[in-house]
Amino acid sequence: EDKVVQSPLSLVVHEGDTVTLNCSYEVTNFRSLLWYKQEKKAPTFLFMLTSSGIEKKSGRLSSILDKKELFSILNITATQTGDSAIYLCAVEGETSGSRLTFGEGTQLTVNP
Amino acid sequence: ETGVTQSPTHLIKTRGQQVTLRCSSQSGHNTVSWYQQALGQGPQFIFQYYREEENGRGNFPPRFSGLQFPNYSSELNVNALELDDSALYLCASSLVRRTDTQYFGPGTRLTVL
Repeated sequence: EDKVVQSPLSLVVHEGDTVTLNCSYEVTNFRSLLWYKQEKKAPTFLFMLTSSGIEKKSGRLSSILDKKELFSILNITATQTGDSAIYLCAVEGETSGSRLTFGEGTQLTVNP
Repeated sequence: ETGVTQSPTHLIKTRGQQVTLRCSSQSGHNTVSWYQQALGQGPQFIFQYYREEENGRGNFPPRFSGLQFPNYSSELNVNALELDDSALYLCASSLVRRTDTQYFGPGTRLTVL
């Protein structure tokens, strides 16, 4: 059974701090790892990672995958209050179509 | 904002009742997946529909059932509601095997009393 573990589960920082969110996984026939941001209801797509060691960046957010050690990190630099959200990590296996196995999420709170 | 819509946004039911949740997929998407997200948890996969056929199912009992229509919209039906069914129900539409195209709807918040 596919499994995703995220840490920490909760994080409180001040504006301007840099944060690192962790995601470890077990999946049969790995296909991809995805990060989502969930502010109120609908998770919104951030990154999809398929290859080890290639950093994906979007503004202040970046993510990298290590397929040997089975983990990924999501970095957010110069955090802003608008970054406050739940960050979800999910994995997809080759045989699972586009179904995803999610972790519990990390609740990030950025205080002014 | 994605083109995926869900209705209703909120729903309150009592134990034993039945509920139908609806999802309209993003234009051009032929696959719909349903997820249950309990409070403080990540979404859990319920099932997926591709071209009107069930294309995979998670660890949910048979009282959770679904349909996909020719226009790729979808319904989730839950019979004999239990208190633990209280959750946010999310649908996501995508092109088949293109997870990077998967867009989530805003969800339906179901409360079972």
